[in-house]
Amino acid sequence: GAVVSQHPSRVICKSGTSVKIECRSLDFQATTMFWYRQFPKQSLMLMATSNEGSKATYEQGVEKDKFLINHASLTLSTLTVTSAHPEDSSFYICSARVLSGRVNTEAFFGQGTRLTVV
Amino acid sequence: GQQLNQSPQSMFIQEGEDVSMNCTSSSIFNTWLWYKQDPGEGPVLLIALYKAGELTSNGRLTAQFGITRKDSFLNISASIPSDVGIYFCAGQLKGEGAQKLVFGQGTRLTINP
Repeated sequence: GAVVSQHPSRVICKSGTSVKIECRSLDFQATTMFWYRQFPKQSLMLMATSNEGSKATYEQGVEKDKFLINHASLTLSTLTVTSAHPEDSSFYICSARVLSGRVNTEAFFGQGTRLTVV
Repeated sequence: GQQLNQSPQSMFIQEGEDVSMNCTSSSIFNTWLWYKQDPGEGPVLLIALYKAGELTSNGRLTAQFGITRKDSFLNISASIPSDVGIYFCAGQLKGEGAQKLVFGQGTRLTINP
């Protein structure tokens, strides 16, 4: 399957600082990338949908100014957690869909980023 | 929002046993995907289903896209220790919101050797 690389895999930051997480599609072009948050023993919660060259679409309840998403190219999307607080500590996962003429395409996931805010 | 009801939530089985889990919804889906997630990792795609009634296998795994387009099941035959993990179903909605995937709550599989 297609490869999605997420970096870093783990990050610890101080409260009040900002953290950037990168998501890259390595061997395909992705018009759409998705950012999820996952709490322990729970399912994936979609935070936002990121389309290349346009503003991200955020899910209800997700703060746009806190979770900044940039999708500058067909292979890279970034999520920046601004002014992080301990409650932002979580597992963040990105996924990317293959650019294709097909309507139905698989979504491939990155390895995830474990964010700990101290 | 849209929800997928995935069951069972957890399974404790003996090595060598077969496993079955399923997802149902009140909504119609265009695509069903089954993922496995190991601790501290992102989900890995196991099987993708695109047509109602489609039955697809991947080694010891078999999944089907329900005829009504509202359900799907995943079977694992002759389970082995490396099958341990959390399995998620995911569906792509028909029509509005078709870009997004809706995830089930997950099935945590534990295998006793």
